[in-house]
Amino acid sequence: DTEVTQTPKHLVMGMTNKKSLKCEQHMGHRAMYWYKQKAKKPPELMFVYSYEKLSINESVPSRFSPECPNSSLLNLHLHALQPEDSALYLCASSPGGNEKLFFGSGTQLSVL
Amino acid sequence: QKEVEQNSGPLSVPEGAIASLNCTYSDRGSQSFFWYRQYSGKSPELIMFIYSNGDKEDGRFTAQLNKASQYVSLLIRDSQPSDSATYLCAVGVSSSNTGKLIFGQGTTLQVKP
Repeated sequence: DTEVTQTPKHLVMGMTNKKSLKCEQHMGHRAMYWYKQKAKKPPELMFVYSYEKLSINESVPSRFSPECPNSSLLNLHLHALQPEDSALYLCASSPGGNEKLFFGSGTQLSVL
Repeated sequence: QKEVEQNSGPLSVPEGAIASLNCTYSDRGSQSFFWYRQYSGKSPELIMFIYSNGDKEDGRFTAQLNKASQYVSLLIRDSQPSDSATYLCAVGVSSSNTGKLIFGQGTTLQVKP
């Protein structure tokens, strides 16, 4: 089973809203990731959690707030987003180290 | 600045032909290399990974790695219209032990019936 589950699949929010994206994996992977992907561009790394601790923050604006409640769950809290934040948000997990990343199906976010 | 370079394409091949996709990378210490396939509007799907110099085959896919030349390639034999997608080359960052990948811009493959 190489499934990473993301919810919701689509999200439309206003610039004053607060919303959260959720991600879950049950493969026992020790690393979890948030990526952002704009149309016709490659995924851009936002955050990495390793053993439930934030290990990489790629200088992401504070309106994006990650959370890792346990080894299977990863959240991304959104607040006061801008229209340019509209993108496909991808969660991924890996066993760790320089091993294979498995992506979820993504959340298509539109900020109005 | 670590970089991964791919020709954006589109690469157009007839059905049944061999498609060859190429990727070069700048991080000489990289040890892990991946190919992802991404259909329009979908998330990237891992199709091949390779860690050692040489060839690795899985079904119709062959990944080739040459660390001396800092070059990775993906061959797709007997190409099918369903192979039409964007193929992303990703390289593990040598200075990271948390699976950080650098992605290339992707090559769009079109397989014509």
